Amino acid sequence: GENVEQHPSTLSVQEGDSAVIKCTYSDSASNYFPWYKQELGKRPQLIIDIRSNVGEKKDQRIAVTLNKTAKHFSLHITETQPEDSAVYFCAASDRGGNKLTFGTGTQLKVEL
Amino acid sequence: GAVVSQHPSRVICKSGTSVKIECRSLDFQATTMFWYRQFPKKSLMLMATSNEGSKATYEQGVEKDKFLINHASLTLSTLTVTSAHPEDSSFYICSATPGTATYEQYFGPGTRLTVT
Repeated sequence: GENVEQHPSTLSVQEGDSAVIKCTYSDSASNYFPWYKQELGKRPQLIIDIRSNVGEKKDQRIAVTLNKTAKHFSLHITETQPEDSAVYFCAASDRGGNKLTFGTGTQLKVEL
Repeated sequence: GAVVSQHPSRVICKSGTSVKIECRSLDFQATTMFWYRQFPKKSLMLMATSNEGSKATYEQGVEKDKFLINHASLTLSTLTVTSAHPEDSSFYICSATPGTATYEQYFGPGTRLTVT
């Protein structure tokens, strides 16, 4: 089955700096890659996603890049703010584009 | 749009009893719902995929007789933890997909189960 690795496990940045979180996946047939933000005790919230037919997608301060050949994708957050502090999970779909396998999560802390 | 609710948000039960958790899609029909388990400071582990009108598909290592899943309608799926034990204590989260043409999963707020 699919295996998703995520790095780093913790990331601390200064407010205003950029943050990058990287994930790799194992199944070359995976075609959907969402990113979720989860605050403590809350539900994961979809913040951005990308499908395998595009290499990059941007939504304001958040962007995701996908390299299908290398089987890795990354989340980029620019101009970080304290409210960006949370745990971020990447995920990859199965061959049917349905079932998601999640990465291990990155605890992002944005310091003032 | 795409709101998913879960009930209860917290439950404490005694060892040996059963607990039912409900997952509802409030503003869309969900042919597929998913049940996850999340340990503190860990990732989400898929337990099973629930399809309306058919039997759930369980992930390897998940006991189907212990974690009963029923997807009775296009807006409701239930997870029943039978004969609960302290090791079943966890955060259980459901998600739902709005339709067959989309891959997005929207999550419920989760249920914190504590078995004493």
